[in-house]
Amino acid sequence: SQQGEEDPQALSIQEGENATMNCSYKTSINNLQWYRQNSGRGLVHLILIRSNEREKHSGRLRVTLDTSKKSSSLLITASRAADTASYFCATALQGAQKLVFGQGTRLTINP
Amino acid sequence: DTEVTQTPKHLVMGMTNKKSLKCEQHMGHRAMYWYKQKAKKPPELMFVYSYEKLSINESVPSRFSPECPNSSLLNLHLHALQPEDSALYLCASSSDRLGMNTEAFFGQGTRLTVV
Repeated sequence: SQQGEEDPQALSIQEGENATMNCSYKTSINNLQWYRQNSGRGLVHLILIRSNEREKHSGRLRVTLDTSKKSSSLLITASRAADTASYFCATALQGAQKLVFGQGTRLTINP
Repeated sequence: DTEVTQTPKHLVMGMTNKKSLKCEQHMGHRAMYWYKQKAKKPPELMFVYSYEKLSINESVPSRFSPECPNSSLLNLHLHALQPEDSALYLCASSSDRLGMNTEAFFGQGTRLTVV
């Protein structure tokens, strides 16, 4: 089964608001990554958080990781219409050669 | 150059055709991947190549045949596909194992339609 599960499956907010997406996983991981995908295109890496980190920032993005709850969240602040996309969390096990993706959150930013 | 280039962008093929998808990267990455993605679903791993050797095959049907001619190129040969194989095929690469805290770089994908 998929390592990561995300909620909500879809999120629609007004431009300027903050968007929060959550990801849960089942087994111990080495790192958790967030990717963005514009409609029908390739995935773009946003941020990687290691298992010994609790929070990481990149521009308007803030990612948290709680390994005790096996969960992560992605916060996008001051959203823009251009942030409209699908967002996926992906987990990598220690020494693993692959990423396993969550189901994704479809984010729509309304102007 | 931080790009992964996939060709073609779109492909329509009949069930009796043979076609190939191509992927190229010039970042010196030694791991390359094929993923399959159906509409509104997450990418699903198909194959992993590490140092030009196939290291993971996620029980993919033999009508999909990967090939890694050199460290920069990755092909996916297609033969006798079924309509349910229609999907977005994504190639990716990484500098090291993904469990070693590296990120994956994805191409824009090939939109495959089997008729």
